[in-house]
Amino acid sequence: ELQLVQSGAEVKKPGESLKISCKGSGDTFNTYWIAWVRQMPGKGLEWMGIIYPGDSDTRYSPSFQGQVTISADKSINTAYLQWSSLKASDTAMYYCARQVASAFDVWGQGTMVTVSS
Amino acid sequence: EIVLTQSPATLSLSPGESATLSCRASQSVSNYLAWYQQKPGQAPRLLIYDASNRATGIPARFSGSGSGTDFTLTISSLEPEDFAVYYCQQRSNWVTFGGGTKVEIK
Repeated sequence: ELQLVQSGAEVKKPGESLKISCKGSGDTFNTYWIAWVRQMPGKGLEWMGIIYPGDSDTRYSPSFQGQVTISADKSINTAYLQWSSLKASDTAMYYCARQVASAFDVWGQGTMVTVSS
Repeated sequence: EIVLTQSPATLSLSPGESATLSCRASQSVSNYLAWYQQKPGQAPRLLIYDASNRATGIPARFSGSGSGTDFTLTISSLEPEDFAVYYCQQRSNWVTFGGGTKVEIK
């Protein structure tokens, strides 16, 4: 059974870069699509984009295109979400999740990113 | 972008009562509709996929129905652990989530 384990909480300053990770274990990570979902404090869920680690095929939500980069390293069963220049508005919990058909059936525990001067 | 509107925003009920949550899409999503439960400090948990199929390990008191633009999640008899926020999600055109319904203890 697939498990997704995310990297730990981060506190950054505006303008800094950041890369967070999502490591899969226990199943064939590279044969499923992995999505990233944002949840701002006290708010709902927002789909950011998705990657197929097997060939790194990536799709972005129009709302997040150009704002973040999604990547993967299939040799270590890990997907990444990165920012080149963080803003205070990037403060949120970020989840990775496995997409199977039309739903997300396995979720990581979340990575809290705080951006503050 | 397909907009999902959930209602009501908050549902105040007692344990043992039945809960009916609504999700309306701005255009047809066929049956590509899922429901999730989220408790404070936890990741979302898949309850229902393809509008009416329970995910693995989900109790039978959770049921989903609908197709096209109107969908319903029903919890037949609320248990204490069911008080949470519920989200719908579509994958017909990109992926979007509804704004959520909070089921709180009355």
